[in-house]
Amino acid sequence: ETGVTQTPRHLVMGMTNKKSLKCEQHLGHNAMYWYKQSAKKPLELMFVYNFKEQTENNSVPSRFSPECPNSSHLFLHLHTLQPEDSALYLCASSQDWGAGELFFGEGSRLTVL
Amino acid sequence: QQQVKQSPQSLIVQKGGISIINCAYENTAFDYFPWYQQFPGKGPALLIAIRPDVSEKKEGRFTISFNKSAKQFSLHIMDSQPGDSATYFCAASPGSNYQLIWGAGTKLIIKP
Repeated sequence: ETGVTQTPRHLVMGMTNKKSLKCEQHLGHNAMYWYKQSAKKPLELMFVYNFKEQTENNSVPSRFSPECPNSSHLFLHLHTLQPEDSALYLCASSQDWGAGELFFGEGSRLTVL
Repeated sequence: QQQVKQSPQSLIVQKGGISIINCAYENTAFDYFPWYQQFPGKGPALLIAIRPDVSEKKEGRFTISFNKSAKQFSLHIMDSQPGDSATYFCAASPGSNYQLIWGAGTKLIIKP
């Protein structure tokens, strides 16, 4: 596999469920990101990890919980979500935090019922 | 002051025409301006980027024009092709170690 891969591609969950999104990058990058993409809105940066350490948390509700066990893997744990959390969740990586080009995965489409 | 305003929200252009997407910003500290292209079902991918020391950058059919005094930058797609149909995002940042501030996107449709 090459680039940034995300699983699952689609996820439907109830408001009381607990689920996780997974991201893996095969680019040897040091920084990984979670973004939220909603229709007709700018991309919203949620979390940044640089060398496995969280460097940004943009006032994201605690029902979203990130985990970065190593520089290649990133998880987003989801629990007690709200319908307004339905969106496309994009994982990205870059050589280093803030350094130029972001490489995105194809996203996980989340629907909260 | 941290916003990047992108227009239009959607754009339909005939094949062979010129597609123009505009972005405006307020923060004069911004010094890196990339454009990302996103096809349906895919993540965004870097298309072209510019820094304010130049007024224009061209890569094939894609050109960024930058107007520092007006705090505006735009993407021009010459000889637009149906394969260019995608959503385009402009972004800006004040340099390294700062997060990108994104525009809301422009959905471009090129009619054959």
